[in-house]
Amino acid sequence: SQQGEEDPQALSIQEGENATMNCSYKTSINNLQWYRQNSGRGLVHLILIRSNEREKHSGRLRVTLDTSKKSSSLLITASRAADTASYFCATDARSGGSNYKLTFGKGTLLTVNP
Amino acid sequence: DTAVSQTPKYLVTQMGNDKSIKCEQNLGHDTMYWYKQDSKKFLKIMFSYNNKELIINETVPNRFSPKSPDKAHLNLHINSLELGDSAVYFCASSQADPGDREGDTQYFGPGTRLTVL
Repeated sequence: SQQGEEDPQALSIQEGENATMNCSYKTSINNLQWYRQNSGRGLVHLILIRSNEREKHSGRLRVTLDTSKKSSSLLITASRAADTASYFCATDARSGGSNYKLTFGKGTLLTVNP
Repeated sequence: DTAVSQTPKYLVTQMGNDKSIKCEQNLGHDTMYWYKQDSKKFLKIMFSYNNKELIINETVPNRFSPKSPDKAHLNLHINSLELGDSAVYFCASSQADPGDREGDTQYFGPGTRLTVL
């Protein structure tokens, strides 16, 4: 079953503004990851936050994780036109047996207008 | 240098044909994956291999057969292609194995857009 659900499905902002995307999931996780996908390209890893962490920063990115609410948010500050892409959250959780797998949401399409 | 490469980038074929997609990673990773991304951008894992051994098979039809000749390569062969197989197929790799509780980031290839007519 699908784990991550991103919200909103699409977001359009002006350059320089902040963009916030949310992700909700259903079961216990080992960690949660955010990926970016430019149109026609593969996914690029942005940041990983473990289940025992609450907040993580990487450059203009800030990720929070609330395991009690089973939700995460990705904040991109001072957005640029080059940030235009789809953003996916992926939950790393047990997949039967002793293996873990990533389950992706449907993504948020972010458009940053110059 | 491309870390994870896939060939071909585009594949257009008729229903009922058999086709293969190749994937290679030069990162020295032990684990490789195949994902399918549908027209709504939903990305779902199909297979995972660790050191040439199948670890995860997500109830994919038997028409899909992955093959890993060595840990740097994971190919996907699809028999009797159907319209519903049209999608973008991504290969990925990671250093950690699927049993690793710490988890790891995955590196994705550029994708192969398969169109079945």
